Amino acid sequence: QVQLVESGGGVVQPGRSLRLSCAASGFTFRTYAMHWVRQAPGKGLEWLAVISYDGSNEYYADSVRGRFTISRDNSRNTLYLQMNSLRAEDTAVYYCAREMVGAIYFDYWGQGTLVTVSS
Amino acid sequence: QSALTQPASVSGSPEQSITISCTGTSSDVGGYNYVSWYQQHPGKAPKLMIYDVTNRPSGVSNRFSGSKSGNTASLTISGLQAEDEADYYCSSYTSSSTRVFGGGTKLTVL
Repeated sequence: QVQLVESGGGVVQPGRSLRLSCAASGFTFRTYAMHWVRQAPGKGLEWLAVISYDGSNEYYADSVRGRFTISRDNSRNTLYLQMNSLRAEDTAVYYCAREMVGAIYFDYWGQGTLVTVSS
Repeated sequence: QSALTQPASVSGSPEQSITISCTGTSSDVGGYNYVSWYQQHPGKAPKLMIYDVTNRPSGVSNRFSGSKSGNTASLTISGLQAEDEADYYCSSYTSSSTRVFGGGTKLTVL
């Protein structure tokens, strides 16, 4: 069955970096665009970034452009989010989600990984 | 990119119908038929309920329906059931090729 498993979360100091991973299984990863979405504690969903199925295109939310980088390794069926210059307001559960090529919706989500930015 | 506007909360009694609105601009909701809706129970990942404004994924109850008029999309849940109590989020494609979510609506089944 389809599985998206995020990892790499934890507690990090402000200004430091962290890389999240999303391991995909149960489907043909290289045929899906992939997204990162986050949810601060008690708050709503915030879309962060998307990468095309082949990694040739990336788009970012204004709030993270220039600090976060989305990437993927189709040989390892893994999505990444490199987060630099972290701030307290980046504290959130980070979800990866897939989007079929030609579709504009997230049809499957991972369970999320918690990132806490605190000194 | 500003978040889409949703009511913070709605409520209804079992078997009643409720509608949640999602208002954007001509650069997102009004410009494309790419509005989707997600249900999220506490501590769980979001679940796709409606895509492309009106379409229901396989396995989603036909009590859930979507529509759009101008810059406002809507999710209607008919025959409310206790298990429908959750947070609901709309999402839209944007003219910048990004995505944007609504602020979320907490549905309470009385």
